[in-house]
Amino acid sequence: RKEVEQDPGPFNVPEGATVAFNCTYSNSASQSFFWYRQDCRKEPKLLMSVYSSGNEDGRFTAQLNRASQYISLLIRDSKLSDSATYLCAYDSWGKLQFGAGTQVVVTP
Amino acid sequence: DGGITQSPKYLFRKEGQNVTLSCEQNLNHDAMYWYRQDPGQGLRLIYYSQIVNDFQKGDIAEGYSVSREKKESFPLTVTSAQKNPTAFYLCASQTTSGYSYEQYFGPGTRLTVT
Repeated sequence: RKEVEQDPGPFNVPEGATVAFNCTYSNSASQSFFWYRQDCRKEPKLLMSVYSSGNEDGRFTAQLNRASQYISLLIRDSKLSDSATYLCAYDSWGKLQFGAGTQVVVTP
Repeated sequence: DGGITQSPKYLFRKEGQNVTLSCEQNLNHDAMYWYRQDPGQGLRLIYYSQIVNDFQKGDIAEGYSVSREKKESFPLTVTSAQKNPTAFYLCASQTTSGYSYEQYFGPGTRLTVT
């Protein structure tokens, strides 16, 4: 099993709709999880950190399910500017393990 | 402005040449990391350093070397031994105080070797 698995997408989302996608991880001992946003040919930028069951920041909500070992990201009221690739990452023995990302395309 | 800088943004080299990528940070972070990203793949850890004058191999260290002589700087050398050096290279830094594992990235260097 890979350390981190993400559905590559693309998730095509109408503007204003809600989209959610998951990231599964293999290290059950991890305490720290992250969502990064990466635009085409740019560096990843930290979107949200999750240290407990979840986190919310405006239109973005992350939920952690420890029993099933996945973390989800939900985007409400999608904007065209939300189009990007979303990478999840988690701490595994002092190093971050990254998924390959989920591509989201918001359409007018 | 606090942040991480990487230079150059684009780099072209001939096969068989060593090349050094620069990474500087003024965030006063202790730890620094080098990753490579290939199309459709996640970030893979090359080397990391949690303190000056010390560094550890990551998952794909073969064909790379690093140094950490100053807290602010963590240059990466891609040697001729690296079989597939063409990639997007990302440097990151992280504070080691508290329990935060948040890493912040530089803008990256896109290396093409022909």
